[in-house]
Amino acid sequence: ETGVTQSPTHLIKTRGQQVTLRCSSQSGHNTVSWYQQALGQGPQFIFQYYREEENGRGNFPPRFSGLQFPNYSSELNVNALELDDSALYLCASSLAQQETQYFGPGTRLLVL
Amino acid sequence: KQEVTQIPAALSVPEGENLVLNCSFTDSAIYNLQWFRQDPGKGLTSLLLIQSSQREQTSGRLNASLDKSSGRSTLYIAASQPGDSATYLCAVLDSNYQLIWGAGTKLIIKP
Repeated sequence: ETGVTQSPTHLIKTRGQQVTLRCSSQSGHNTVSWYQQALGQGPQFIFQYYREEENGRGNFPPRFSGLQFPNYSSELNVNALELDDSALYLCASSLAQQETQYFGPGTRLLVL
Repeated sequence: KQEVTQIPAALSVPEGENLVLNCSFTDSAIYNLQWFRQDPGKGLTSLLLIQSSQREQTSGRLNASLDKSSGRSTLYIAASQPGDSATYLCAVLDSNYQLIWGAGTKLIIKP
């Protein structure tokens, strides 16, 4: 059984560009959550997808959007990148919404 | 709105000492509480998860307790080692299925 994987591991973008981050959930997990962790801070909840529908969203603007596919993998899209979007982006999957979340290694995004 | 606080923000102790990290949360309506470890520039390693109906969990030299009524959890590390140096984060799974995180405690174990 493979764990949660994320790609790419690192990414450098410039202000105003768009980025797509990808997450493959653990086998059998139908729920994926995304978090942003700025340097020196705890992670912040972005949103959660449950069976391909967005199910809960944190305090992030609409330029942060996502998708979940029929195989339960997920994408996080960020438009019009800002310098403050530089962070570690973490994805977690779980068997169900209230079950333990298992984390991927993260994607480190640097916006210049 | 659920808020999670970790005290202290940083802690430095000599090798071999036992230590306690604290986590408090404002809303007792949680599904579980989890402690994580994060090494510099790395992702998260899950240490212990306590379901809302449980009082404590143990793994090796680590013991985590949960007092839901008072909104507190502690992580006890016995016989600390330099390899325990890392940032320790606690997170609660709230009633909206969102993990709400503390800012972490940066732990340094001095050889």
